[in-house]
Amino acid sequence: GAGVSQSPSNKVTEKGKDVELRCDPISGHTALYWYRQRLGQGLEFLIYFQGNSAPDKSGLPSDRFSAERTGESVSTLTIQRTQQEDSAVYLCASSPRGGTEAFFGQGTRLTVV
Amino acid sequence: AQSVAQPEDQVNVAEGNPLTVKCTYSVSGNPYLFWYVQYPNRGLQFLLKYITGDNLVKGSYGFEAEFNKSQTSFHLKKPSALVSDSALYFCAVRGVSGGYNKLIFGAGTRLAVHP
Repeated sequence: GAGVSQSPSNKVTEKGKDVELRCDPISGHTALYWYRQRLGQGLEFLIYFQGNSAPDKSGLPSDRFSAERTGESVSTLTIQRTQQEDSAVYLCASSPRGGTEAFFGQGTRLTVV
Repeated sequence: AQSVAQPEDQVNVAEGNPLTVKCTYSVSGNPYLFWYVQYPNRGLQFLLKYITGDNLVKGSYGFEAEFNKSQTSFHLKKPSALVSDSALYFCAVRGVSGGYNKLIFGAGTRLAVHP
C-alpha cells in the first residue's frame, strides 16, 4: 500500500481480555516504531524494530505488553489481560533504511470497558 | 539521554498573524529534528525536518522552522496563520551518534487560530 496501515481502526474489549494490534509498514521500510497516545496527551514510545529485531523495548509499560515483527514486514502489538488504563490510540510508524523521518499510520483506538 | 521540550501547552493566534510554536531539545551529538502535525482523529503528518545545512528549513503548508544550535531550539513558524492550521503540533528529535537512536517526541502544543 501507499502508507502505513493499521488494523483494526477501533477496538473495544472487556477488561481482562487479550488484544492484538496489527501494523503493516510501508514496503521496504526497515525501521518500525510503536507509540501510545492517551487522550489529549503526547506520544509515548513503546518499542522500536530494526528488521525483525527489537533493539529498544524500553517503553513497554509492563510484561503484559509484547510485540513481534516478521522480517521487515508486519508487526503485531499484543496486550494481555487488558486494563482500563490501556485505553489509548496506538500508533505505528515506519522509516526506510538510512531514512530520517518516520511515516505514521492512522492508529488503532483501543477502549477497554 | 535524548529529550524534547515544548514549553507551551497551547498557542492562540489570530488569523493572518504570524505564529511560533516553540521546541527545545537535548541530544548527544548532532540532532535530526522534525515537526509533525495531528488533526483531530487523524494520525501524524510529517511537516518538515532539519538534517544539516541551512538553519531555516521550509516544509508543507507554508510552515518553516529555524534550527539554532547555540540555543538548542527548533521553533516552528508561519508568517500568516490560517484557521485551518488549528491542530496539535509535535516536535521530535533523533540523535545521530552511535548505531541506534530512537525518535523522541515532545508533549505537543495545541495551536488555535481564531478568525
